[in-house]
Amino acid sequence: QVQLVQSGAEVKKPGSSVKVSCKASGGTFSRYPISWVRQDPGQGLEWMGRIIPMVGIPDYAQKFQGRVTITADKSTSTAYMELSSLRSEDTAVFYCARDYGGNWNWGQGTLVTVSS
Amino acid sequence: EIVLTQSPGTLSLSPGERATLSCRAGQSVGSNYLAWYQQKPGQAPRLLIYGASTRATGIPDRFSGSGSGTDFTLTISRLEPEDFAVYYCQQYGSSPYTFGQGTKLEIK
Repeated sequence: QVQLVQSGAEVKKPGSSVKVSCKASGGTFSRYPISWVRQDPGQGLEWMGRIIPMVGIPDYAQKFQGRVTITADKSTSTAYMELSSLRSEDTAVFYCARDYGGNWNWGQGTLVTVSS
Repeated sequence: EIVLTQSPGTLSLSPGERATLSCRAGQSVGSNYLAWYQQKPGQAPRLLIYGASTRATGIPDRFSGSGSGTDFTLTISRLEPEDFAVYYCQQYGSSPYTFGQGTKLEIK
């Protein structure tokens, strides 16, 4: 069973960037897509984008295009999501999730707080 | 982008009753790549159903999924106290993947 462990909570200033990590243990890391999903406080789930580590080419939701960068390091079985130009409305929990043929396995979530 | 609309927004039922949650897609979901999740406060989403009707590992058989094309249903045959939560549907058949807005299942 693959486990995804995300980095800890972050507090960032408006205008800065945040980089959240998602380390996979167990299973084959490179072959299966890893997605990032955002959840604003008290709101629903929103898909941001994904990457297949073996391919290395990300696919982003249009809403986040230009502000999000998703990467993967096969050598450490870790995926990353970097969000730039942060504003207060970006305060949210960010999840990574690995798609194993539709059977999505999720990380525990990372709270990012944007505050001056 | 495939828009998913869930109904009802809130469902008030009692333990032991049957719950029927609906998810309607604005266009056909490719290969019926439709999943259902349960989420409780402060927790990550928990996968219940994928491929429209396949139960995820460890999910009790009181949870079942059905449907195809644009209309999908999650049924909980007999509600247990721990089933009261928010439920989301998600399509992963075409990018961008999308989620429904959620159905809150509350105790009556």
